[in-house]
Amino acid sequence: QQQVKQSPQSLIVQKGGISIINCAYENTAFDYFPWYQQFPGKGPALLIAIRPDVSEKKEGRFTISFNKSAKQFSLHIMDSQPGDSATYFCAAQLTNYGGSQGNLIFGKGTKLSVKP
Amino acid sequence: NAGVTQTPKFQVLKTGQSMTLQCAQDMNHEYMSWYRQDPGMGLRLIHYSVGAGITDQGEVPNGYNVSRSTTEDFPLRLLSAAPSQTSVYFCASSILAGGNEQYFGPGTRLTVT
Repeated sequence: QQQVKQSPQSLIVQKGGISIINCAYENTAFDYFPWYQQFPGKGPALLIAIRPDVSEKKEGRFTISFNKSAKQFSLHIMDSQPGDSATYFCAAQLTNYGGSQGNLIFGKGTKLSVKP
Repeated sequence: NAGVTQTPKFQVLKTGQSMTLQCAQDMNHEYMSWYRQDPGMGLRLIHYSVGAGITDQGEVPNGYNVSRSTTEDFPLRLLSAAPSQTSVYFCASSILAGGNEQYFGPGTRLTVT
């Protein structure tokens, strides 16, 4: 199966809190898991990505946690700020082969609002 | 570098009209793709290309055509617009198909009446 299931659909967090967005995938052959951030009226932009050989990757306030056995990965935003308010998309990709198997499969997105 | 550019930014079409959405990148990327974004549906792949002269269908290709005559340009053609094609369209490019950052354009908001 090629689906990536993302939750929640929307999330409201107070400034300074922790935002957590979860994704689950079915195809165990996926080997690249990026998160994209999209501000209103803009195109998505890569935020952070992880490969399944590590369980966690941190870049500043953003952390990806990866659970290979559960086929789940999540984005944690520490000390959430109003400027983090955006839509976040998880994605999965099979990078070992060419053709259609190399395309990104996106989750449906999470709209994050960080209240001051 | 301009990155990925898309034109027009907004477009209104009547049912049955045809049009071409333009996409260009100046990063010498082999891989280019078109997505549509609808509320609650995420980003769905329409067509993609792994190099000049090579195109293939994505998840939702019906009603759209593409061609890739140069590395830089990847236009998306709507043959006979339908209200179901009302959406925001994004073009993206990357160095290779797998495991590399995809750079997205600013999008084209299309309304079909």
